[in-house]
Amino acid sequence: ETGVTQTPRHLVMGMTNKKSLKCEQHLGHNAMYWYKQSAKKPLELMFVYSLEERVENNSVPSRFSPECPNSSHLFLHLHTLQPEDSALYLCASSRTSGRSWGNEQFFGPGTRLTVL
Amino acid sequence: AQSVTQLDSQVPVFEEAPVELRCNYSSSVSVYLFWYVQYPNQGLQLLLKYLSGSTLVKGINGFEAEFNKSQTSFHLRKPSVHISDTAEYFCAVSENAGKSTFGDGTTLTVKP
Repeated sequence: ETGVTQTPRHLVMGMTNKKSLKCEQHLGHNAMYWYKQSAKKPLELMFVYSLEERVENNSVPSRFSPECPNSSHLFLHLHTLQPEDSALYLCASSRTSGRSWGNEQFFGPGTRLTVL
Repeated sequence: AQSVTQLDSQVPVFEEAPVELRCNYSSSVSVYLFWYVQYPNQGLQLLLKYLSGSTLVKGINGFEAEFNKSQTSFHLRKPSVHISDTAEYFCAVSENAGKSTFGDGTTLTVKP
């Protein structure tokens, strides 16, 4: 398998459930990202990891918890979500070198999350 | 701080007509510029990028964009669109090779 994969593609959960989103990249990249894409809203950067260390956390509520066990895998753990968290969650990866983040990002197909 | 403005939220156009999607950025330093496309129920994929050199950049699917430093613009163009070009298009800027900032997106709808 190549590129960036995300599972599951669709997820419906209740507000009291706990679930996890998984992202895997097969491109040898060293940076990974989580984005939230809601209808009629701009793309929101949630978390950034470089070499498995979190380098950015953009004021995301604690009910979203990221995990990056290695440079190929990224998880987003979800618990006690709200209906307004329903959105498309996109994972991306890129190659960084030193302080340069200027390379293009490669995106997965996303997980469509619905919170009831 | 860098920012990106996509001037049109929706662009309807007839098949085989030319199209231009406009993007302006705000930065006073060196920038990299990107256009991404998102088809329904998919992630974003890179159409083209400007890092340096020639200001006219050619991408996939017949798209091209021109970097205009004096006008801080990076407009995307295609001389003849197809139904299959219907998608969401995102402009992005990376200032001093930092992390990219994305625009709000432009929905291109190609009508028969």
